[in-house]
Amino acid sequence: GNSVTQMEGPVTLSEEAFLTINCTYTATGYPSLFWYVQYPGEGLQLLLKATKADDKGSNKGFEATYRKETTSFHLEKGSVQVSDSAVYFCALSSNTNAGKSTFGDGTTLTVKP
Amino acid sequence: GAVVSQHPSWVICKSGTSVKIECRSLDFQATTMFWYRQFPKQSLMLMATSNEGSKATYEQGVEKDKFLINHASLTLSTLTVTSAHPEDSSFYICSASGIENTEAFFGQGTRLTVV
Repeated sequence: GNSVTQMEGPVTLSEEAFLTINCTYTATGYPSLFWYVQYPGEGLQLLLKATKADDKGSNKGFEATYRKETTSFHLEKGSVQVSDSAVYFCALSSNTNAGKSTFGDGTTLTVKP
Repeated sequence: GAVVSQHPSWVICKSGTSVKIECRSLDFQATTMFWYRQFPKQSLMLMATSNEGSKATYEQGVEKDKFLINHASLTLSTLTVTSAHPEDSSFYICSASGIENTEAFFGQGTRLTVV
């Protein structure tokens, strides 16, 4: 079956530091890949997505590239802000049932001023 | 993007009572809706998938008689937690996808506390 493995947290960084959160996946076929962000007490917000190999998703300074050869979708940001503090989830869904998502365990990011 | 709204955002109920959570797609027709459960500091676990007008498909280990799901229209699905117990306290999140089923849109979640 499908699975997503995320880098364990929590991750604590200083403002303006470089962020990487690793994500690898196991899936049959060619899934779509997502990063979601969850702020305290809130639901999920889609951060970015990629639907095929070598696609790069980007939003709000965050980027992730769909690497089929390494089955990875690592999240990066060049300069984090305090407002980026949240829980980040990597997820995948199959192209034949895109609504059904498999999530990683989530990585908590805390950015200190 | 499309908007999915959940109601209520939070609810406190007594043990033994039932609670209904609504999930609405506001600007598109949701042919399929998904219900997830999230325990504190954990990931989201899929509970069930519902298609409009048909019975929900439950994931292994989810009690369908306890978590009743109804998807009576293309814009509304409901999750009813029957005879709630403290261990049912959790964050419940729905998502919805349209006819093309190319992407799911998430609601803001409902925090249920059973006392």
